[in-house]
Amino acid sequence: ETGVTQTPRHLVMGMTNKKSLKCEQHLGHNAMYWYKQSAKKPLELMFVYNFKEQTENNSVPSRFSPECPNSSHLFLHLHTLQPEDSALYLCASSQDLTGNEQFFGPGTRLTVL
Amino acid sequence: KQEVTQIPAALSVPEGENLVLNCSFTDSAIYNLQWFRQDPGKGLTSLLLIQSSQREQTSGRLNASLDKSSGRSTLYIAASQPGDSATYLCAVDNYGQNFVFGPGTRLSVLP
Repeated sequence: ETGVTQTPRHLVMGMTNKKSLKCEQHLGHNAMYWYKQSAKKPLELMFVYNFKEQTENNSVPSRFSPECPNSSHLFLHLHTLQPEDSALYLCASSQDLTGNEQFFGPGTRLTVL
Repeated sequence: KQEVTQIPAALSVPEGENLVLNCSFTDSAIYNLQWFRQDPGKGLTSLLLIQSSQREQTSGRLNASLDKSSGRSTLYIAASQPGDSATYLCAVDNYGQNFVFGPGTRLSVLP
């Protein structure tokens, strides 16, 4: 176990649904990240939060909406997704933004029908 | 913009063999480089972190080196075992760009 948990582990949703992914870290870290991993593509950084403040939005469509209520929790709210959004969504955390090891959760496998 | 490549894309070796995985990056202005392992459909497990001021790190049968000036890192796995079968990813932590990942090397160690 890495100290980073994600729920749900699997999610199937229709294009008109609204759902949320949850990430929690028990490591006392200050920075949290959302990544997308699609088949045959490198991991893509989506969002970065540091001390609950968003520091990076990597040109992610607005149908993905992150929320970071505190340094231990990170959410990704999903709305009107497309089939091409089907992927493994990974959450990670690190002590601070730079120079520190990243720890990843197990991911949420999302399928959009 | 930082770009990270990994060679080979896939590798199959018999059990017991020593092997080297390669990672290259285009911008040497990095804080560190991290090697990860990913099993199918799972999250990433951190293997080794090399700070930009370091040349190598070792953990058990794993040894990672970093040559920042040439933009290269290698992951050496000694006496490979079937349990080492996984995808190995390298990622660089850059100034102003956070982590950029390579596409990975898929390793199969045959019994």
